[in-house]
Amino acid sequence: DTGVSQDPRHKITKRGQNVTFRCDPISEHNRLYWYRQTLGQGPEFLTYFQNEAQLEKSRLLSDRFSAERPKGSFSTLEIQRTEQGDSAMYLCASSSRLAGAMIQSASEQFFGPGTRLTVL
Amino acid sequence: GNSVTQMEGPVTLSEEAFLTINCTYTATGYPSLFWYVQYPGEGLQLLLKATKADDKGSNKGFEATYRKETTSFHLEKGSVQVSDSAVYFCALNPSNNAGNMLTFGGGTRLMVKP
Repeated sequence: DTGVSQDPRHKITKRGQNVTFRCDPISEHNRLYWYRQTLGQGPEFLTYFQNEAQLEKSRLLSDRFSAERPKGSFSTLEIQRTEQGDSAMYLCASSSRLAGAMIQSASEQFFGPGTRLTVL
Repeated sequence: GNSVTQMEGPVTLSEEAFLTINCTYTATGYPSLFWYVQYPGEGLQLLLKATKADDKGSNKGFEATYRKETTSFHLEKGSVQVSDSAVYFCALNPSNNAGNMLTFGGGTRLMVKP
């Protein structure tokens, strides 16, 4: 299967603990996105990378959230000192930039199955 | 700011009924518009898209037309099947958004009964 994969699929943690999620994008995709989806809502953008560069991170929910993509391939999203309000589905998506295109507005984002986080 | 508003669900239909899920948006410029579908236990999948006014996106019997004058992108299908039961999300990407960040609506759950 060459789709976007995420690990783990489910994570239960106690309040105050740190958690880290991994996303493996489609191999030739240069862009990688993180979204958060709470129950009954649509996904909410958090951050994105183009190759290894994190080009937008102002939407991260607090300074407890951080993301990396060290080699431009897989990415990790870390939440420090988790709170009950962090319970949600964390989605990863990837896309490829069309050659020569300045705006990638119409490119499809391919989503992974998500990691469901429950903070007790 | 950018926003997407969808009709609230759940929408419950009988098989072969006509489906409309309303979507309206607020954005500057000329955004690209998308419908994503989330089947139970699966990730979001792109259903269809339109990149400019009056474009019609279509896939698997679903259609949506980009209406700039009414800032709408309503999803329609002439005859739904039980297998269409899922959550449908309308989304936009502003035209000035080089990062291709999507703004989603709240989703509409569709339940189709045999």
